[in-house]
Amino acid sequence: GAGVSQSPSNKVTEKGKDVELRCDPISGHTALYWYRQSLGQGLEFLIYFQGNSAPDKSGLPSDRFSAERTGGSVSTLTIQRTQQEDSAVYLCASSSRGAGNVSYEQYFGPGTRLTVT
Amino acid sequence: AQSVTQPDIHITVSEGASLELRCNYSYGATPYLFWYVQSPGQGLQLLLKYFSGDTLVQGIKGFEAEFKRSQSSFNLRKPSVHWSDAAEYFCAVGARFTGTASKLTFGTGTRLQVTL
Repeated sequence: GAGVSQSPSNKVTEKGKDVELRCDPISGHTALYWYRQSLGQGLEFLIYFQGNSAPDKSGLPSDRFSAERTGGSVSTLTIQRTQQEDSAVYLCASSSRGAGNVSYEQYFGPGTRLTVT
Repeated sequence: AQSVTQPDIHITVSEGASLELRCNYSYGATPYLFWYVQSPGQGLQLLLKYFSGDTLVQGIKGFEAEFKRSQSSFNLRKPSVHWSDAAEYFCAVGARFTGTASKLTFGTGTRLQVTL
């Protein structure tokens, strides 16, 4: 079946502009995660959605970052007033939910490479 | 807080040689453990996982890993490396019991180079 898809694959934007990154999870997966991969910081968790529960935003680096998930499926990560340090690959992952509020393995999309000039 | 250490930033092995990539974790209980591989310009692909049971787990592409609780380790092994295994390998830990999320904490990765 189809895996996790992300768009765009590459995005170049000017400092100060807003960007939106999109993630389509695997059909039927209830959990969705955003991570950021950058040279200086490695792979960092950003935000997590699980069903109708309030998202875990504990990894968002600043209030310029936000994300939403509509209809329990597609998610959009928005970065406002982009800065050069936001340049990174943004990875989305999804997983099915197991018993006891624990999610199983996460399947990753190919990522969006964001470059802020 | 959970953490993962991959002490080897870069490893070079000859094709056909055996491979062991080290991973040590810090977590208050028995965690969920994962190994992912990332080829250049690609996303992360799951190689294998440990949730419970047999501490030696088999994965795709001939990889295996052994969970050693006493050493807080989850090292990845392959008996004979192929040139196509050249990539970056990430060990990750996920919380076993959580009321919120099983977000993954990743190690810094080990870049594997394979010489012919």
